[in-house]
Amino acid sequence: KQEVTQIPAALSVPEGENLVLNCSFTDSAIYNLQWFRQDPGKGLTSLLLIQSSQREQTSGRLNASLDKSSGRSTLYIAASQPGDSATYLCAVSGSDMRFGAGTRLTVKP
Amino acid sequence: DTGVSQDPRHKITKRGQNVTFRCDPISEHNRLYWYRQTLGQGPEFLTYFQNEAQLEKSRLLSDRFSAERPKGSFSTLEIQRTEQGDSAMYLCASSPALFGGPETQYFGPGTRLLVL
Repeated sequence: KQEVTQIPAALSVPEGENLVLNCSFTDSAIYNLQWFRQDPGKGLTSLLLIQSSQREQTSGRLNASLDKSSGRSTLYIAASQPGDSATYLCAVSGSDMRFGAGTRLTVKP
Repeated sequence: DTGVSQDPRHKITKRGQNVTFRCDPISEHNRLYWYRQTLGQGPEFLTYFQNEAQLEKSRLLSDRFSAERPKGSFSTLEIQRTEQGDSAMYLCASSPALFGGPETQYFGPGTRLLVL
């Protein structure tokens, strides 16, 4: 059974800092990995999708990497802003889609 | 098209009542998914449809839960004889499944259910 773990569970940083969110998964037989953003009480917004054959994806200030063999992905956020405050979830797609519990990020002005 | 929509956004009900939620996916997306999310956790997969066919159901989907997608467009999720443990956010997502494999899923805003 696929287990997805995200560390840390919560993170608070001052505005402007670069930061890394971590995601690990136990079964490397995946099709892809996605990072989502979720604002309080809202649905999920897809940020980046990395296919199993890819190593990384970039979108603006976001960069996500995937190391399938070690079961790890990182989401790098450059020059963080207060608007980046949200919960970030990673999800792996294998036989179904499994989510981590998320990292709650607070960026202080 | 403005994305995946869900109705209602909030539902409060008494234990034992039946509730039904609706999801309208992005037009021409042939895959539709239902998830449940409790506070502080990531979404948990419940079921998914390819067009009108329900292809997979999680063990979380007890016999009190039923989902339909009769015409391959909108979907409904019904919970019968609700229990307090059913209180959660119910999320719907759709994807185009252009290449036959998993694709980016686009999520709706969710329906928050509270069972008293």
